Amino acid sequence: DAKTTQPTSMDCAEGRAANLPCNHSTISGNEYVYWYRQIHSQGPQYIIHGLKNNETNEMASLIITEDRKSSTLILPHATLRDTAVYYCIRTGANSKLTFGKGITLSVRP
Amino acid sequence: DTGVSQNPRHKITKRGQNVTFRCDPISEHNRLYWYRQTLGQGPEFLTYFQNEAQLEKSRLLSDRFSAERPKGSFSTLEIQRTEQGDSAMYLCASSLAAGRGGYTFGSGTRLTVV
Repeated sequence: DAKTTQPTSMDCAEGRAANLPCNHSTISGNEYVYWYRQIHSQGPQYIIHGLKNNETNEMASLIITEDRKSSTLILPHATLRDTAVYYCIRTGANSKLTFGKGITLSVRP
Repeated sequence: DTGVSQNPRHKITKRGQNVTFRCDPISEHNRLYWYRQTLGQGPEFLTYFQNEAQLEKSRLLSDRFSAERPKGSFSTLEIQRTEQGDSAMYLCASSLAAGRGGYTFGSGTRLTVV
């Protein structure tokens, strides 16, 4: 039970922003939202995580709704190399990661 | 430190044989995790260590599977009497104890049982 819900797939045009949604309506107050991505034949790669506030790093931005029931990962300028499976995971600070099937992002030229 | 290293990258074995995989985590990370991933699925948790102590094992980890981390550094995952259903990518990850910074995964070992 991955405890988050993501669409199966989406695509976006190269150079445009990719907005990947995630639903975690039963998230607990002490659970974080983590995003990882997995490019074919590689291990998952950490992208970003957050608790309540929006977060930004060199890879992406994470927007968490005020009620924390959903979040959006934003890749501001998608490139072909961003084509991957993206996993949204909720977990306690000291707990293991439980992956679902993720969302397959296809970036088209 | 170049990240989490897993060896071998690929392993083909005959059904019934034993196999062992190795994972070298990031040196300052004291947590180490093993996951298994089959085609089209997300990684499934198998077990994790904090230093040399194995703190949790999944029900997926049958008695044919054993993992060790003898000195709190590298870890090995052994599968005895392999079955075709064991064919998968075996992923290792490491993190700091609090886990807040995220896991760093290796590239995995792809096992094919024929």
